[in-house]
Amino acid sequence: DTEVTQTPKHLVMGMTNKKSLKCEQHMGHRAMYWYKQKAKKPPELMFVYSYEKLSINESVPSRFSPECPNSSLLNLHLHALQPEDSALYLCASSQEEGGGQPQHFGDGTRLSIL
Amino acid sequence: AQRVTQPEKLLSVFKGAPVELKCNYSYSGSPELFWYVQYSRQRLQLLLRHISRESIKGFTADLNKGETSFHLKKPFAQEEDSAMYYCAPPGGNFNKFYFGSGTKLNVKP
Repeated sequence: DTEVTQTPKHLVMGMTNKKSLKCEQHMGHRAMYWYKQKAKKPPELMFVYSYEKLSINESVPSRFSPECPNSSLLNLHLHALQPEDSALYLCASSQEEGGGQPQHFGDGTRLSIL
Repeated sequence: AQRVTQPEKLLSVFKGAPVELKCNYSYSGSPELFWYVQYSRQRLQLLLRHISRESIKGFTADLNKGETSFHLKKPFAQEEDSAMYYCAPPGGNFNKFYFGSGTKLNVKP
């Protein structure tokens, strides 16, 4: 299995809702990433997990809460989001966290905040 | 932070014409760079990495340390090459991954 799988593919939620995005990989990769991608823009790094520990938080607002329950799973918990948070959220993984490591991306979850 | 610059937002060429998508980097040392491609309605995927020095789908990219560039080239563009192309370094501390702003390649019939 050489894929990164993200669920759901689409999510519409109100500003008071709580929801979670899920990401799964079975390639034995030890680094996993969350990105946010707005239309016609490059992906922007949000979080990096390495060996199930949070390694990087790119000053992301606390209404986004990542979680890495095990080496294959990565979640992004959402609460009290704002309309400007509407975007495509991408998950990626790589063999290790570090230079020279190509990343494998999922299809993303398209999030719309009402 | 280690960054890359892609000066062209949009590049339009005719089928069969050569294409070059520009990428310049702004840091010293021995960078390791990648090109990623995002076809319409498909996931972002690795196209090639400079250390492998291979050709994927007819594309090549050579690291030029003198010009601090890693341009992506293809001698004869095909319509199916139309996509968004991102240049990316591994980032500072090798922990971060900053994409270039991207170049949209449009290959016209």
